[in-house]
Amino acid sequence: GAVVSQHPSWVICKSGTSVKIECRSLDFQATTMFWYRQFPKQSLMLMATSNEGSKATYEQGVEKDKFLINHASLTLSTLTVTSAHPEDSSFYICSATRTSDHLTSYEQYFGPGTRLTVT
Amino acid sequence: AQSVTQLDSQVPVFEEAPVELRCNYSSSVSVYLFWYVQYPNQGLQLLLKYLSGSTLVKGINGFEAEFNKSQTSFHLRKPSVHISDTAEYFCAVSGLMGGKLIFGQGTELSVKP
Repeated sequence: GAVVSQHPSWVICKSGTSVKIECRSLDFQATTMFWYRQFPKQSLMLMATSNEGSKATYEQGVEKDKFLINHASLTLSTLTVTSAHPEDSSFYICSATRTSDHLTSYEQYFGPGTRLTVT
Repeated sequence: AQSVTQLDSQVPVFEEAPVELRCNYSSSVSVYLFWYVQYPNQGLQLLLKYLSGSTLVKGINGFEAEFNKSQTSFHLRKPSVHISDTAEYFCAVSGLMGGKLIFGQGTELSVKP
């Protein structure tokens, strides 16, 4: 159990358009989901933490108006990159913590990632 | 605040040789420690974790790690590597209440025949 999916797995868009990335917990309820960004050959950088039914908490330096996060249900969080530019091209990874067992709420289950290329 | 330092950015090793990937952390409070593996263009897979108890932790794929509180280290080891172990490895910490994971810079393990 504890499978997280992301859709799409890769996307190419034109500069100035918006792109939505979905993160779903397939077999568990996720109170909290995290969004990370990873540049080539670099580590994961946390962008924001989202809790179901409340506003996301963004890390310092992350533009909340550019990276819109919605966590409308216990199994779905979305990241929308608005007015995308080439510098937004990156690998975006989400993760989720399971609601059912507070003893394991520290453990994050990661999605497979979404490769965004902005042309 | 917590931080993680992976001391080697790249580790080349021959197949069937032993390997150690080094990780040191800094924290003013107790932490949970994790090692993740990332294959190209994929998400992260948990190799092992230290929560409490025995300082020697065994994980998947024959990996193990030892928590050393005095040296604030959590080095990852495997006695005999395979070509398929070629990947990026990340060490990470979190507070005891869970939440945010702090990642190290990653170590690229390259296993050569």
